Amino acid sequence: DAGITQSPRYKITETGRQVTLMCHQTWSHSYMFWYRQDLGHGLRLIYYSAAADITDKGEVPDGYVVSRSKTENFPLTLESATRSQTSVYFCASRKGQGAGTQYFGPGTRLLVL
Amino acid sequence: AQKVTQAQTEISVVEKEDVTLDCVYETRDTTYYLFWYKQPPSGELVFLIRRNSFDEQNEISGRYSWNFQKSTSSFNFTITASQVVDSAVYFCALSGDNAGNMLTFGGGTRLMVKP
Repeated sequence: DAGITQSPRYKITETGRQVTLMCHQTWSHSYMFWYRQDLGHGLRLIYYSAAADITDKGEVPDGYVVSRSKTENFPLTLESATRSQTSVYFCASRKGQGAGTQYFGPGTRLLVL
Repeated sequence: AQKVTQAQTEISVVEKEDVTLDCVYETRDTTYYLFWYKQPPSGELVFLIRRNSFDEQNEISGRYSWNFQKSTSSFNFTITASQVVDSAVYFCALSGDNAGNMLTFGGGTRLMVKP
């Protein structure tokens, strides 16, 4: 019972490089989410997806790209990483529409030098 | 717009003390859900509880209890007889009637339980 996994767990990159963070869930949940967690800001939603091939912006989408070709995967790409994108990134999933519970992955710590 | 406020950024107690974490929310939705998550030092986010806006019954689960009061827009969380393992950051969150039913998180309260 893997649940929701994220890879890599830790990543160091340089300014300007492209980085992709992976998220995989085994529950066949229709909704998936990406959040970033920063000191002083709590968790903020970057993007979410209601189903394969359906994505929408959250509160802080600038500088990020998402795709969802398969229900179980929801990768997040930083096209040209900036220092301000240093953060902890959490992926989450939810079974369906409505305010069901979101379950979170273990997080990815990203450092942009 | 939705908003969740956790005014206590950090609380320190001694083991076996009771502690209450405050959560105040704002929403224009008549139907909404409130959540508490725990983030221990290991970093993962652990779901604790979910309540809907039509159910104001308080809930108790072991040493944990939750007090939901619509009149004051509050959803407070109490830990009875705290233990060192309760040390964590606790987040209150709100999901309303928005597209995607997205979660809005409070800033979190760091609880430190000292032996």
